[in-house]
Order: sequence, then structure tokens, then C-alpha cells
Amino acid sequence: QQQVKQSPQSLIVQKGGISIINCAYENTAFDYFPWYQQFPGKGPALLIAIRPDVSEKKEGRFTISFNKSAKQFSLHIMDSQPGDSATYFCAASYTGGFKTIFGAGTRLFVKA
Amino acid sequence: DTAVSQTPKYLVTQMGNDKSIKCEQNLGHDTMYWYKQDSKKFLKIMFSYNNKELIINETVPNRFSPKSPDKAHLNLHINSLELGDSAVYFCASSQRLIDTEAFFGQGTRLTVV
Repeated sequence: QQQVKQSPQSLIVQKGGISIINCAYENTAFDYFPWYQQFPGKGPALLIAIRPDVSEKKEGRFTISFNKSAKQFSLHIMDSQPGDSATYFCAASYTGGFKTIFGAGTRLFVKA
Repeated sequence: DTAVSQTPKYLVTQMGNDKSIKCEQNLGHDTMYWYKQDSKKFLKIMFSYNNKELIINETVPNRFSPKSPDKAHLNLHINSLELGDSAVYFCASSQRLIDTEAFFGQGTRLTVV
């Protein structure tokens, strides 16, 4: 079963625009929600992460918004740049657990 | 210094062969994983090991046998390779009790012909 649902599957954004990727989860035991960025030929790398005790976390141009009651979270990339073109994965796990569940991924292309 | 390194990066082999992928992490983490990424980029966990012990086996065919000789190493041996095994395999590690960020290796692209 897909415990973390991610949308859209692909996204094309103009340079300078805002990229928004959404995720929804089912398991209320999850308490750690990371976003990973993957470039072609590379492994995924942690971009930013949030725990459910906060509703928003910002690091530079990247912001996670978290809605615990709706069991949804999203990644916003402000002032999107061509170098941001990559596949983005939302994920979920819980403290003391032994696996991270990944969303299906969003391929982002930022047009110059 | 590479944090999580896996070898080889590319592996092309014929159906029916047996192959191994090696993984080493120098982060001092106590948990290691194997993930499979298919052609649609979907990442699915295969195995989790904690302190050399198998914790999670996500209904992976028993042709896949992980082995962890110590906390820093987790190898994956695959018997009787099939066309459907073609994918990118990622090794990862994390320090489970402190945070759950997973550090990934660069991946091994396995092609079965």
C-alpha cells in the first residue's frame, strides 16, 4: 500500500517562479517528514525536514508547510532556478523505526 | 571522504547469473538499508539492518540475500538474476536513535540482459 502519496508526478516552472509539491500520509505514527532531492546518476540527498510539532520550516528558498490535522505537507521552492531541476521525494518515518517510506517522486524542470 | 560508498556503480549481466553489490559507510551509523529504484524512479525499501541484524525484509524474493559482516558494511547478493531485477539499487545508512535522516550511496545500476 502507498503510505505516502505525492503529487504532481512532474512539474515545469519558469525561472524565478514558485514550485509546489504536495504530499499526504496515512500513518499517524510518523513523526519525521523529510524531503529528498535527487539529481540524475546520484543518490537522494536530504534537502529539508520537519517534525509535526511545527507548521512551517524554512531554509533559504525551501519551505515545508505541515498540516497535522489534514495529514498533509508540502514543499515550496521560491525563486526556482534551473539548478533546482531534479526529482524530489517526500518521505515519512518515525523515531525508533527502521525504514523511511518515500512518495513516488516529482520530476521538477525549471525553464531558464 | 565518501560517507556511503557502494560498488560497482554499473553492473551488466546475463539472466541466471549471480552477482553481489557491496556497501560501506564511514559515518558510524548503526542502521543500514537497501532500496530499489525502478525505471519510474519509485524508491522502495528492501531490507533494514540494525547492528548487523536483519530488522526488515519487505517481501523481497529469497534470491536476494543481504549480509552484514559488521555495522559498517551491508552487501547484497542476488542469485539467478531475472530481467525484472534491472533497476538502480541504493545502499543507505542512518543513526536511528538520534535522527532518521538517511544518507544514500551513489547507487548501482543493474542491467540484466
